[in-house]
Amino acid sequence: DSGVTQTPKHLITATGQRVTLRCSPRSGDLSVYWYQQSLDQGLQFLIQYYNGEERAKGNILERFSAQQFPDLHSELNLSSLELGDSALYFCASSSRVGAMSEAFFGQGTRLTVV
Amino acid sequence: DQQVKQNSPSLSVQEGRISILNCDYTNSMFDYFLWYKKYPAEGPTFLISISSIKDKNEDGRFTVFLNKSAKHLSLHIVPSQPGDSAVYFCAARPMDSNYQLIWGAGTKLIIKP
Repeated sequence: DSGVTQTPKHLITATGQRVTLRCSPRSGDLSVYWYQQSLDQGLQFLIQYYNGEERAKGNILERFSAQQFPDLHSELNLSSLELGDSALYFCASSSRVGAMSEAFFGQGTRLTVV
Repeated sequence: DQQVKQNSPSLSVQEGRISILNCDYTNSMFDYFLWYKKYPAEGPTFLISISSIKDKNEDGRFTVFLNKSAKHLSLHIVPSQPGDSAVYFCAARPMDSNYQLIWGAGTKLIIKP
């Protein structure tokens, strides 16, 4: 158990809909990262927050947004969903900014868009 | 355009033998390379890393080799154990970023008893 909790584990929704994925970081970790893994692909960095502030943006679509709340949990919002958004979405947390080798990953949320 | 490539989707190795997982990259502007291991239904876990100023880093049964001229790195696992069966991801950190990692597609390692 990495200590990072992602909910829900699985999500099936229709095209055009909007979903929210939730991540609770390890206790004390201020950094949260979101990654997308499509079928047979590597992980694609989406966005990073540190102590409530956006720190870095990767290949995140405009239809996607995220935020980190005062209690440090984070949410990834995906809207106007398309079939191609079906993927495994991972959240990771670390105590420091930029220390990916020290980051712990959650189990992921598998999103299926039908 | 994949900057980090793991050309073998899967690899099967006999228990006790050496497992060698390969990774190639196209960008010379990476300064740090990491290997992650992922079991089914779990997130990736950090395994071992190497700085671009080194050519070898060892941690127990795991050794990572970096060949900068060939833009190639490899992970050696000796001896291979059944618990090593997992998907292994190679990832590279761009010099201008402390936050982002560029990931390979992964290699599924199967250790045969």
